[in-house]
Amino acid sequence: IAGITQAPTSQILAAGRRMTLRCTQDMRHNAMYWYRQDLGLGLRLIHYSNTAGTTGKGEVPDGYSVSRANTDDFPLTLASAVPSQTSVYFCASSDEAGGPFNEQFFGPGTRLTVL
Amino acid sequence: TQLLEQSPQFLSIQEGENLTVYCNSSSVFSSLQWYRQEPGEGPVLLVTVVTGGEVKKLKRLTFQFGDARKDSSLHITAAQPGDTGLYLCAGGRYNQFYFGTGTSLTVIP
Repeated sequence: IAGITQAPTSQILAAGRRMTLRCTQDMRHNAMYWYRQDLGLGLRLIHYSNTAGTTGKGEVPDGYSVSRANTDDFPLTLASAVPSQTSVYFCASSDEAGGPFNEQFFGPGTRLTVL
Repeated sequence: TQLLEQSPQFLSIQEGENLTVYCNSSSVFSSLQWYRQEPGEGPVLLVTVVTGGEVKKLKRLTFQFGDARKDSSLHITAAQPGDTGLYLCAGGRYNQFYFGTGTSLTVIP
């Protein structure tokens, strides 16, 4: 079934540890996104990539980094996790970046707890 | 500060009742989308509106984009338990979408 996969499903992490959240899509979409979802704040964009080889910062990029070496994969790295990064992380993709009818397809999410 | 504020944040109603969810901003958006999210899953797109004043209907759901393209509403007629979920609006600006704070709807059988 075509779509987006994320790994791990959930993770408990000690503060200060490094962590990479994985995201893979098989729809050959050009654009990919990472969001975090917190109660009362909705989804906030962390980083995005309009096409393979390019990345950009979203609303809340501090403490996170991304890479886009190919079309399918868009990993999100927390270099040194802090408790405020406890959240549910969603990866999404869309056929093209921008445009009013740009539909984003979301993965199932990764629940991360930083202690 | 969130660009898009949704109200109410939580809503619990009986099956068969009508409800309206609001999505408000002081900013102008080129388009407005509504997503629905079920527990343990990612959001799924319901509709996109792009013209000020535009109204779209999806079965029992009616979506409206404000004339000034700063706000939107979602009206559900005769709510059913299957409508239960988190409803998110998302406004398009400068090739990015900004999500609202979300409305959690529970429809009680």
